[in-house]
Amino acid sequence: SYEVTQSPSVSVSPGQTATITCSGDRLGEKHVCWYQQKPGQSPMLVIYQDNKRPSGIPERFSGSNSGNTATLTISGTQSMDEAAYYCQAWVSNNVIFGGGTNLIVL
Amino acid sequence: EVQLLESGGNLVLPGGSLRLSCAASGFTFSSYAMTWVRQAPGKGLEWVSTITGSAFSTYYADSVKGRFTISRDNSDNTLYLQMDSLRGDDTAIYYCAKDGPGGGFLGRFDPWGQGTLVTVSS
Repeated sequence: SYEVTQSPSVSVSPGQTATITCSGDRLGEKHVCWYQQKPGQSPMLVIYQDNKRPSGIPERFSGSNSGNTATLTISGTQSMDEAAYYCQAWVSNNVIFGGGTNLIVL
Repeated sequence: EVQLLESGGNLVLPGGSLRLSCAASGFTFSSYAMTWVRQAPGKGLEWVSTITGSAFSTYYADSVKGRFTISRDNSDNTLYLQMDSLRGDDTAIYYCAKDGPGGGFLGRFDPWGQGTLVTVSS
């Protein structure tokens, strides 16, 4: 079965750029979404179709997907961005989530 | 404003059954596929099931296939998840979520409800 892999945690200083990656076989051939989940809250879509931002999501969130790796980039990271981030791929009428990456803003 | 409100979560014995509901408002319910996603305590997200807007097609994760049944009532704007033969590893918060436009299974979930907790334990 298809799997996608994320690093458990990423640390970044406020104002710097955070890069969160998601790896899977030929992931670049699939559409990837990214979700943000803060403690005690429901997940929220921040990127869909690899690089599109839903209405209301700040421009500092961007995405890319090529080869075996999808990337979520947060430019000018703010303390409010501290959360778990999950990548998600749609594969043959199945949905696969990555294990999540905890973004720590130090 | 799109709103999704889950209900029906409870403590249930192993082998038991439970039906979850998700009341939707703020959009044309029948025009969107709907999905259930669960999250075990302290763990990541797991897709459970999706139903297209017309209810013509349903999709299930292997872990629940044959035990769970997704359905919807487009006249009442409500999504359901019938869960039978429940096991301890089904313990989780269950979220309903709206899929992208067009009524088909796009795998793009926005927004999500607040979730309802299902605990399977003796």
